[in-house]
Amino acid sequence: DGGITQSPKYLFRKEGQNVTLSCEQNLNHDAMYWYRQDPGQGLRLIYYSQIVNDFQKGDIAEGYSVSREKKESFPLTVTSAQKNPTAFYLCASSIVPAGGENEQFFGPGTRLTVL
Amino acid sequence: GNSVTQMEGPVTLSEEAFLTINCTYTATGYPSLFWYVQYPGEGLQLLLKATKADDKGSNKGFEATYRKETTSFHLEKGSVQVSDSAVYFCALRLGGYNKLIFGAGTRLAVHP
Repeated sequence: DGGITQSPKYLFRKEGQNVTLSCEQNLNHDAMYWYRQDPGQGLRLIYYSQIVNDFQKGDIAEGYSVSREKKESFPLTVTSAQKNPTAFYLCASSIVPAGGENEQFFGPGTRLTVL
Repeated sequence: GNSVTQMEGPVTLSEEAFLTINCTYTATGYPSLFWYVQYPGEGLQLLLKATKADDKGSNKGFEATYRKETTSFHLEKGSVQVSDSAVYFCALRLGGYNKLIFGAGTRLAVHP
Protein backbone atom coordinates (compact mmCIF):
# COMPACT_ATOMS: atom_id res chain seq x y z
CA ASP A 1 0.00 0.00 0.00
CA GLY A 2 1.25 3.48 -0.84
CA GLY A 3 1.44 6.07 1.88
CA ILE A 4 3.45 8.20 4.25
CA THR A 5 5.08 6.82 7.37
CA GLN A 6 6.33 8.81 10.29
CA SER A 7 8.29 7.35 13.13
CA PRO A 8 8.19 7.16 16.00
CA LYS A 9 4.60 7.97 16.97
CA TYR A 10 5.70 9.32 20.36
CA LEU A 11 9.10 10.81 21.11
CA PHE A 12 10.52 12.13 24.35
CA ARG A 13 13.70 14.16 24.62
CA LYS A 14 15.51 16.17 27.22
CA GLU A 15 15.75 19.90 26.84
CA GLY A 16 18.84 20.97 24.89
CA GLN A 17 19.05 17.81 22.77
CA ASN A 18 18.62 17.76 19.02
CA VAL A 19 16.11 15.21 17.73
CA THR A 20 15.34 14.00 14.20
CA LEU A 21 11.85 13.01 13.07
CA SER A 22 11.52 10.58 10.21
CA CYS A 23 9.19 10.92 7.22
CA GLU A 24 9.12 8.43 4.35
CA GLN A 25 6.73 8.21 1.40
CA ASN A 26 6.32 5.63 -1.34
CA LEU A 27 3.82 7.63 -3.39
CA ASN A 28 6.52 8.81 -5.82
CA HIS A 29 5.67 12.40 -4.89
CA ASP A 30 8.14 15.15 -5.67
CA ALA A 31 7.02 17.60 -3.00
CA MET A 32 7.16 17.07 0.75
CA TYR A 33 6.21 19.27 3.70
CA TRP A 34 6.58 19.53 7.47
CA TYR A 35 3.89 21.10 9.63
CA ARG A 36 3.64 21.75 13.33
CA GLN A 37 0.33 21.49 15.18
CA ASP A 38 -0.27 23.02 18.59
CA PRO A 39 -3.43 22.61 20.69
CA GLY A 40 -6.23 24.86 19.48
CA GLN A 41 -4.25 26.03 16.48
CA GLY A 42 -4.15 25.11 12.87
CA LEU A 43 -1.14 23.61 11.17
CA ARG A 44 1.82 25.86 10.51
CA LEU A 45 4.35 25.18 7.76
CA ILE A 46 7.93 24.63 8.91
CA TYR A 47 9.77 23.62 5.73
CA TYR A 48 8.89 22.29 2.31
CA SER A 49 10.74 20.70 -0.55
CA GLN A 50 9.61 20.60 -4.15
CA ILE A 51 12.44 18.45 -5.46
CA VAL A 52 15.40 16.42 -4.24
CA ASN A 53 18.31 18.49 -2.88
CA ASP A 54 16.16 21.61 -2.62
CA PHE A 55 14.00 22.97 0.21
CA GLN A 56 12.54 26.27 1.39
CA LYS A 57 11.65 27.75 4.74
CA GLY A 58 8.02 27.93 5.69
CA ASP A 59 6.43 30.28 8.19
CA ILE A 60 8.14 28.98 11.35
CA ALA A 61 11.52 27.55 10.26
CA GLU A 62 13.60 28.97 13.13
CA GLY A 63 15.09 26.22 15.27
CA TYR A 64 14.48 23.50 12.66
CA SER A 65 16.52 22.00 9.85
CA VAL A 66 15.75 19.53 7.04
CA SER A 67 17.46 17.58 4.29
CA ARG A 68 16.16 16.05 1.06
CA GLU A 69 18.80 13.66 -0.19
CA LYS A 70 16.29 11.13 -1.51
CA LYS A 71 12.89 11.58 -3.11
CA GLU A 72 11.24 9.28 -0.56
CA SER A 73 12.65 10.84 2.58
CA PHE A 74 12.41 14.27 4.25
CA PRO A 75 13.72 14.14 7.83
CA LEU A 76 13.17 17.05 10.19
CA THR A 77 15.66 17.94 12.93
CA VAL A 78 14.37 19.88 15.90
CA THR A 79 17.40 21.67 17.28
CA SER A 80 18.10 23.01 20.75
CA ALA A 81 17.52 26.49 19.30
CA GLN A 82 13.78 25.80 19.00
CA LYS A 83 12.37 27.50 22.07
CA ASN A 84 9.16 25.53 22.39
CA PRO A 85 9.55 22.20 20.58
CA THR A 86 6.81 20.21 22.29
CA ALA A 87 4.14 19.73 19.61
CA PHE A 88 2.56 17.33 17.13
CA TYR A 89 4.54 17.19 13.88
CA LEU A 90 2.92 16.23 10.60
CA CYS A 91 4.62 15.36 7.35
CA ALA A 92 2.84 15.59 4.00
CA SER A 93 3.60 15.02 0.34
CA SER A 94 2.11 15.89 -3.03
CA ILE A 95 2.92 15.65 -6.70
CA VAL A 96 4.82 18.61 -8.19
CA PRO A 97 2.82 21.68 -7.23
CA ALA A 98 3.18 23.50 -10.53
CA GLY A 99 -0.46 24.45 -10.86
CA GLY A 100 -3.27 21.92 -10.92
CA GLU A 101 -5.04 20.57 -7.90
CA ASN A 102 -2.40 18.62 -6.11
CA GLU A 103 -3.76 17.14 -2.92
CA GLN A 104 -1.43 16.92 0.02
CA PHE A 105 -1.38 13.50 1.70
CA PHE A 106 -0.54 13.47 5.39
CA GLY A 107 1.31 11.01 7.57
CA PRO A 108 0.02 9.91 11.00
CA GLY A 109 2.22 12.39 12.86
CA THR A 110 4.85 12.30 15.60
CA ARG A 111 4.11 13.72 19.02
CA LEU A 112 7.31 15.21 20.45
CA THR A 113 7.55 15.99 24.12
CA VAL A 114 10.58 17.79 25.48
CA LEU A 115 11.08 17.24 29.19
CA GLY B 1 -2.63 38.79 4.53
CA ASN B 2 -4.12 35.43 3.71
CA SER B 3 -5.97 33.71 6.52
CA VAL B 4 -8.76 31.30 7.45
CA THR B 5 -11.17 31.76 10.35
CA GLN B 6 -13.28 28.91 11.71
CA MET B 7 -15.95 28.84 14.36
CA GLU B 8 -14.63 27.92 17.75
CA GLY B 9 -15.40 24.52 19.14
CA PRO B 10 -16.14 22.22 20.55
CA VAL B 11 -19.36 21.56 18.71
CA THR B 12 -21.41 18.95 20.55
CA LEU B 13 -24.33 17.27 18.78
CA SER B 14 -26.58 14.29 19.18
CA GLU B 15 -26.52 11.57 16.55
CA GLU B 16 -28.61 12.43 13.44
CA ALA B 17 -28.47 16.17 14.15
CA PHE B 18 -27.67 18.70 11.42
CA LEU B 19 -24.11 20.02 11.36
CA THR B 20 -22.74 23.38 10.25
CA ILE B 21 -19.15 24.45 10.81
CA ASN B 22 -18.50 27.99 9.62
CA CYS B 23 -15.38 28.94 7.70
CA THR B 24 -14.49 32.31 6.21
CA TYR B 25 -11.31 33.34 4.48
CA THR B 26 -9.23 36.32 3.47
CA ALA B 27 -7.07 35.92 0.41
CA THR B 28 -5.41 37.82 -2.38
CA GLY B 29 -6.39 36.29 -5.66
CA TYR B 30 -8.65 33.27 -6.09
CA PRO B 31 -7.83 30.43 -3.72
CA SER B 32 -8.84 26.82 -3.76
CA LEU B 33 -10.63 25.79 -0.57
CA PHE B 34 -10.45 22.56 1.39
CA TRP B 35 -11.86 20.77 4.39
CA TYR B 36 -9.60 18.28 6.14
CA VAL B 37 -10.60 15.92 8.96
CA GLN B 38 -8.35 14.65 11.74
CA TYR B 39 -9.46 11.63 13.78
CA PRO B 40 -7.95 11.22 17.26
CA GLY B 41 -4.23 10.53 17.18
CA GLU B 42 -4.01 10.55 13.39
CA GLY B 43 -2.87 12.78 10.57
CA LEU B 44 -5.18 14.80 8.34
CA GLN B 45 -7.33 13.43 5.56
CA LEU B 46 -8.78 15.47 2.75
CA LEU B 47 -12.57 15.52 3.16
CA LEU B 48 -13.61 17.72 0.24
CA LYS B 49 -12.48 20.63 -1.88
CA ALA B 50 -13.67 23.35 -4.26
CA THR B 51 -11.51 25.19 -6.73
CA LYS B 52 -13.68 28.08 -7.93
CA ALA B 53 -16.63 30.21 -6.98
CA ASP B 54 -19.98 28.37 -6.67
CA ASP B 55 -18.31 24.95 -6.78
CA LYS B 56 -19.73 22.48 -4.28
CA GLY B 57 -17.44 19.89 -2.76
CA SER B 58 -19.00 16.77 -1.29
CA ASN B 59 -17.89 13.51 0.30
CA LYS B 60 -19.28 11.04 2.86
CA GLY B 61 -22.46 13.11 3.26
CA PHE B 62 -20.54 16.33 3.94
CA GLU B 63 -20.92 19.34 1.64
CA ALA B 64 -19.43 22.81 1.32
CA THR B 65 -20.05 25.51 -1.28
CA TYR B 66 -17.43 28.06 -2.33
CA ARG B 67 -19.11 31.45 -1.83
CA LYS B 68 -16.97 34.22 -3.24
CA GLU B 69 -19.42 37.00 -2.34
CA THR B 70 -19.28 36.10 1.36
CA THR B 71 -15.74 34.61 1.26
CA SER B 72 -17.08 31.52 2.97
CA PHE B 73 -16.85 27.74 2.72
CA HIS B 74 -19.14 26.39 5.44
CA LEU B 75 -19.17 22.64 6.09
CA GLU B 76 -22.56 20.93 6.43
CA LYS B 77 -23.92 17.45 7.00
CA GLY B 78 -27.57 16.57 7.26
CA SER B 79 -27.29 13.77 9.82
CA VAL B 80 -24.12 13.25 11.84
CA GLN B 81 -22.94 9.96 13.27
CA VAL B 82 -20.79 9.17 16.30
CA SER B 83 -18.03 8.17 13.88
CA ASP B 84 -17.92 11.77 12.59
CA SER B 85 -16.39 12.90 15.88
CA ALA B 86 -13.08 14.50 14.91
CA VAL B 87 -11.38 17.84 14.38
CA TYR B 88 -12.24 19.60 11.12
CA PHE B 89 -9.86 22.04 9.47
CA CYS B 90 -10.72 24.56 6.77
CA ALA B 91 -7.80 25.54 4.53
CA LEU B 92 -7.01 27.59 1.46
CA ARG B 93 -4.37 27.35 -1.21
CA LEU B 94 -3.35 30.10 -3.54
CA GLY B 95 -2.67 29.35 -7.17
CA GLY B 96 0.86 28.52 -8.26
CA TYR B 97 1.96 27.14 -4.92
CA ASN B 98 0.92 24.13 -2.92
CA LYS B 99 1.23 25.92 0.40
CA LEU B 100 -1.86 25.40 2.53
CA ILE B 101 -3.09 27.96 5.05
CA PHE B 102 -5.16 26.35 7.80
CA GLY B 103 -7.80 27.56 10.19
CA ALA B 104 -7.48 26.69 13.88
CA GLY B 105 -9.71 23.64 13.60
CA THR B 106 -13.13 22.87 15.08
CA ARG B 107 -13.64 19.86 17.29
CA LEU B 108 -16.89 17.96 16.74
CA ALA B 109 -18.22 15.56 19.35
CA VAL B 110 -21.27 13.48 18.43
CA HIS B 111 -23.10 11.61 21.19
CA PRO B 112 -25.46 8.63 20.75
